[in-house]
Amino acid sequence: DVKVTQSSRYLVKRTGEKVFLECVQDMDHENMFWYRQDPGLGLRLIYFSYDVKMKEKGDIPEGYSVSREKKERFSLILESASTNQTSMYLCASSLMGQSTGTFGSGTRLTVV
Amino acid sequence: DQQVKQNSPSLSVQEGRISILNCDYTNSMFDYFLWYKKYPAEGPTFLISISSIKDKNEDGRFTVFLNKSAKHLSLHIVPSQPGDSAVYFCAASEGNQFYFGTGTSLTVIP
Repeated sequence: DVKVTQSSRYLVKRTGEKVFLECVQDMDHENMFWYRQDPGLGLRLIYFSYDVKMKEKGDIPEGYSVSREKKERFSLILESASTNQTSMYLCASSLMGQSTGTFGSGTRLTVV
Repeated sequence: DQQVKQNSPSLSVQEGRISILNCDYTNSMFDYFLWYKKYPAEGPTFLISISSIKDKNEDGRFTVFLNKSAKHLSLHIVPSQPGDSAVYFCAASEGNQFYFGTGTSLTVIP
């Protein structure tokens, strides 16, 4: 079974802090994604990556950046956390050309 | 602008009855459609999918119907069970990118 692991289930950070959310997958998937889930808005794509060192903006990239230095790891970075970034963050991965993605369990981030 | 829409935020169904969850999309280039199920505090898990060249796909109690002319898909669960209570997201893909709906919270009443 593919496993997508997000390093933290719950995180509380202060406004202005730099925040790193880590995601690791163990099945050699090319594609990796970061989403945030908010009530009434569903899952919105922040960034995705097709390969190492490659990244593409999703629908809501503002205030975020990403890093993919190794194939198995995709990091989401909040350069200066703000309260409107309080959300559930979900990482997913998939094989190139495969339409189904596998999700991690999510990180509930609260910015105070 | 939301390309995939689920207009019903919640649905309650009696155990044993049919649950019908609906989803509409706007982009005619979508070539694959999926349903995910999400329990609280867990990530979404893949449930069932359908290619744009088909109009129906069945897997046990779950059936997905696709009406391309109406840009509409639906998920039927029959018979519904209390363990089906969860949030259901429909998604559509174009290439390697997924677009998700806002989710429908299904409650199956014992």
